[in-house]
Amino acid sequence: GAVVSQHPSWVICKSGTSVKIECRSLDFQATTMFWYRQFPKQSLMLMATSNEGSKATYEQGVEKDKFLINHASLTLSTLTVTSAHPEDSSFYICSATGTGYGYTFGSGTRLTVV
Amino acid sequence: GENVEQHPSTLSVQEGDSAVIKCTYSDSASNYFPWYKQELGKRPQLIIDIRSNVGEKKDQRIAVTLNKTAKHFSLHITETQPEDSAVYFCAASMRNTGNQFYFGTGTSLTVIP
Repeated sequence: GAVVSQHPSWVICKSGTSVKIECRSLDFQATTMFWYRQFPKQSLMLMATSNEGSKATYEQGVEKDKFLINHASLTLSTLTVTSAHPEDSSFYICSATGTGYGYTFGSGTRLTVV
Repeated sequence: GENVEQHPSTLSVQEGDSAVIKCTYSDSASNYFPWYKQELGKRPQLIIDIRSNVGEKKDQRIAVTLNKTAKHFSLHITETQPEDSAVYFCAASMRNTGNQFYFGTGTSLTVIP
């Protein structure tokens, strides 16, 4: 149990376009989802926490208008990187938790902005 | 908020030797301490965890110790193998649904055959 699916696994986009990343809990209800960003050889940096049906809580320094997070259902959260630029290139990974279920990571998304 | 420090940042050991990675945390309210192994480009995988009411936990070649008074916890890998090579992260959390994990900075472990 406790499987979290993340799509796409990798994406290349042009500078100025927007990219949507999906995080789905497949076999449990994820009351809370977390979005992380990870640069090469660095730790996971929490970007935001989203609770189903509520607005996401962003960490200090993370632009909420640039990284749009939606958690409209108990099984799906999306992260949209708007007007992407090369400096947004990174590994984005979600994790989900729910009542009776631990903290499960998605498989991650490698974003490259060219 | 919680601050987790992890040392060393890189560690090389000969195959068969032991490896120890240490973490400290700042918030005495944290009560759950997982360890993750991450291979390049992949998701972190939980390898062992410990709760604050336990001082030590072991699972085959992997063990974790916790000192609540000193606010530090350590990962011990014995009889290391080349496949143990990866980046390891410690984390601290308050073990209730919805509470975020605070991660350490990671340790890149290399096991030399």
